[in-house]
Amino acid sequence: EVQLVESGGTLAQPGGSLRLSCSASGFTFTDYGVTWVRQAPGKGLEWVSSVNGDGSTTYHAASVKGRFTISRDNSKNTLFLQMNSLRAEDTAVYFCATVLFQGGRRAGLDYWGQGTLVAVSS
Amino acid sequence: DIQLTQSPSFLSASVGDRVTITCRVSQGISSSLAWYQQKPGKAPKLLIYAASTLQSGVPSRFSGSGAGTEFTLTVSSLQPEDFAAYYCQQVNSYPLTFGGGTEVEIK
Repeated sequence: EVQLVESGGTLAQPGGSLRLSCSASGFTFTDYGVTWVRQAPGKGLEWVSSVNGDGSTTYHAASVKGRFTISRDNSKNTLFLQMNSLRAEDTAVYFCATVLFQGGRRAGLDYWGQGTLVAVSS
Repeated sequence: DIQLTQSPSFLSASVGDRVTITCRVSQGISSSLAWYQQKPGKAPKLLIYAASTLQSGVPSRFSGSGAGTEFTLTVSSLQPEDFAAYYCQQVNSYPLTFGGGTEVEIK
């Protein structure tokens, strides 16, 4: 059974740092690109960052570029999101998800974790 | 960046109703569109990918259509468990972007 379990969410100060983790099991982790998506309280979904299977290629939303870094440790089947220079607007539930490919093309996000809450406030 | 506009943003419907949600995209994305369902306090669930392909395990009352810049998600006969929020997402190019969402409420 595919499982993604996020951790690391907590209350953080503006300007502070956090590292989120997403532990994966039930599939061959290196075969999948993975993504972080966030959802602010009462708001819609926002794509944050993605990384390919071997970790060599990353993408970040403009809203987090230069502050957040996505990475992965394939030896530990774990995805990370290093969050620096946190702002109040980063307050959200952060989900990790696997990228579904069909016919060599990105098709969607098929497996999701349960999410971890990051609250940025003084 | 590619913008996605969902309509309506809110929909009130009854059990058994046929419901259609539209997602308009700011530039052509072929069929690189996915639809998700999200219930309160839960992670999103992939319903449809490649615009019209039903994800494994999703009931056949859900269907997707469209290509290019206009897409629709249809629920042929709304069931009690379908009352939720629905989101479209373009996966054609980065940054991947979501529509603003459609909340489906019981009338």
